[in-house]
Amino acid sequence: SQTIHQWPATLVQPVGSPLSLECTVEGTSNPNLYWYRQAAGRGLQLLFYSVGIGQISSEVPQNLSASRPQDRQFILSSKKLLLSDSGFYLCAVYHGGANEKLFFGSGTQLSVL
Amino acid sequence: AQSVTQLDSHVSVSEGTPVLLRCNYSSSYSPSLFWYVQHPNKGLQLLLKYTSAATLVKGINGFEAEFKKSETSFHLTKPSAHMSDAAEYFCVVTVFTGGGNKLTFGTGTQLKVEL
Repeated sequence: SQTIHQWPATLVQPVGSPLSLECTVEGTSNPNLYWYRQAAGRGLQLLFYSVGIGQISSEVPQNLSASRPQDRQFILSSKKLLLSDSGFYLCAVYHGGANEKLFFGSGTQLSVL
Repeated sequence: AQSVTQLDSHVSVSEGTPVLLRCNYSSSYSPSLFWYVQHPNKGLQLLLKYTSAATLVKGINGFEAEFKKSETSFHLTKPSAHMSDAAEYFCVVTVFTGGGNKLTFGTGTQLKVEL
């Protein structure tokens, strides 16, 4: 079965500090990977998605970036956090085809102070 | 470009009455569509999905949705609301692009069920 590991679960960072959130997937290969941010009243905002190693599609221009150094590893980063970066970040895995499925990690609650 | 619009941010119904949560989408390609539910302090749970088979899709907990291409809609319905249905509901559209499968969520509809 498939498992998504996302860490840390909570994070408090000062404004201007760097960020690195990691997501790793087990039990599958060549997954489509996603980073979402969930803010109250705004649903899930798609930030980045990736179809393979080194292939990143960016949805929202901002001070965040994403990388996929390995097939089952997806990293969300920032060089300098802003207050507006606070939110709940979710990593997701999608499989298309006949057994179309979307899986989510447990999320990271980021507070930028 | 693709987008998803959930027309109501809040819906309130009485227990035992019908539920209608509206979703409209725009897509240049043939989309797949999902409805997800999120209960307070819980993760996202798949209710149902449309993937170009039958236009009327039945999901869990008595929910169903009908894909109407002419109206670009995928509204979620349930004949009789239960208190346990109170949660936030998200409509999702997924379209294959050159960069992979792009999944876009609506902003969500908060369903309140009253006695």
